[in-house]
Amino acid sequence: SAVISQKPSRDICQRGTSLTIQCQVDSQVTMMFWYRQQPGQSLTLIATANQGSEATYESGFVIDKFPISRPNLTFSTLTVSNMSPEDSSIYLCSGHVGGQRGYTFGSGTRLTVV
Amino acid sequence: RKEVEQDPGPFNVPEGATVAFNCTYSNSASQSFFWYRQDCRKEPKLLMSVYSSGNEDGRFTAQLNRASQYISLLIRDSKLSDSATYLCVVNKGGTASKLTFGTGTRLQVTL
Repeated sequence: SAVISQKPSRDICQRGTSLTIQCQVDSQVTMMFWYRQQPGQSLTLIATANQGSEATYESGFVIDKFPISRPNLTFSTLTVSNMSPEDSSIYLCSGHVGGQRGYTFGSGTRLTVV
Repeated sequence: RKEVEQDPGPFNVPEGATVAFNCTYSNSASQSFFWYRQDCRKEPKLLMSVYSSGNEDGRFTAQLNRASQYISLLIRDSKLSDSATYLCVVNKGGTASKLTFGTGTRLQVTL
C-alpha cells in the first residue's frame, strides 16, 4: 500500500508564528486531504488539495489561516498561520491511491502552540 | 445530528470475548463504508471495507444495512492487541472523495 511521509512529527511553536507541514507520497495521488484531530476527538476535514488548482476548504476553515500547496501529484503542504493555542492539535494528511482499498494517512504532526 | 454516529465507549472486555460496535450514518447517498483502527497517538489505519453482503476478515466481521443506514463491526476472540479506537468512516462519493469520520469507539481488552 502507499506510504505517506509526514513531517515534522511534532513541534512546539510560539503564538503568532506559522508552521508548514509537509506530506510526501510514494505514489501519485489525485486528491490529498488535510485533517485536524483535537484531543479525544475524531478527525475533522480541513480541506481537499488538488494539483493545479486551489484547495477546497470545509466550513469553518479558510485559506488565509490554512494555506495549502499541491505542486504535483506526490506532494502537499499545509501551513498553520498566525498560530494561537487553539490551533494545538494533531494534523494529518491523507490520500487515496488508485487501485487500493481505503485511504492512507501520514503519521501526523502533533502541534503545540504556547 | 452528526453525519456519522458511534457510541464512544469505552468498551472494556476480557480477552477472548466477542464485542460488537455499531455505527449509523445520516446521508442515504453514502456509497462506501470503512472501519479504521486508531491506536493511541498514531494515525488511523484501514481495518476493513464494509460491503452490503457483509464481509469477514479473520476474527473481524463487518455488516452494512443500507435500509437502516447502519454499519456494524464484530470482533471475535478479542486479543489484548485489539485495544484501540475503532472509527466508522463513510464516503459519499467516488473512490477519491472525502471521508466523514465518526467519533470512534474505544475498546480496551483486559486479561
